[in-house]
Amino acid sequence: DVKVTQSSRYLVKRTGEKVFLECVQDMDHENMFWYRQDPGLGLRLIYFSYDVKMKEKGDIPEGYSVSREKKERFSLILESASTNQTSMYLCASSLTATIWYEQYFGPGTRLTVT
Amino acid sequence: AQRVTQPEKLLSVFKGAPVELKCNYSYSGSPELFWYVQYSRQRLQLLLRHISRESIKGFTADLNKGETSFHLKKPFAQEEDSAMYYCALRLDGGATNKLIFGTGTLLAVQP
Repeated sequence: DVKVTQSSRYLVKRTGEKVFLECVQDMDHENMFWYRQDPGLGLRLIYFSYDVKMKEKGDIPEGYSVSREKKERFSLILESASTNQTSMYLCASSLTATIWYEQYFGPGTRLTVT
Repeated sequence: AQRVTQPEKLLSVFKGAPVELKCNYSYSGSPELFWYVQYSRQRLQLLLRHISRESIKGFTADLNKGETSFHLKKPFAQEEDSAMYYCALRLDGGATNKLIFGTGTLLAVQP
């Protein structure tokens, strides 16, 4: 069974703080993704990574950066958190990029920036 | 531009009634479409994929390229079907299995 875990279910941070959201998958998947989920806006892709140290911007990368030093771990970084980054953040992974493979999602981190 | 449209934010039906969750897409390539579901307090998971043409939990979805639609249907809704449903489009090419999601439809099945 594929397991995607996220470091926190709930997180409260202050404006201007640096925030790290961690995601770990245990199935040796090549691809990892970070989305934010907002009511009425659905899921929007922030960043994705198709290999260690490789990353590409998604649709809404502004204000975010990512790090993938190891295959199983993909971190999302908010350099200076702002209130408009209050959201649910979902991490996902999929096995390979060359053929279709299901994306498996983590439980989500609900981030509140005050 | 690639886009997935789910026109209904909320769909409320009674148990036993038919359900149709609408999804339309815009994509110049060869589309590959999916439905994902998120039950209350559970993680988002794949429900079905158009290529497999399966029926999962009584749900089916047919890709209609002429109408650029991929509506999700179930003849008789159950209370346990209440969830958030997302339609997603896979973009071919590139080095990833990148998906574009719609805005989601909350299905509420009333007893």
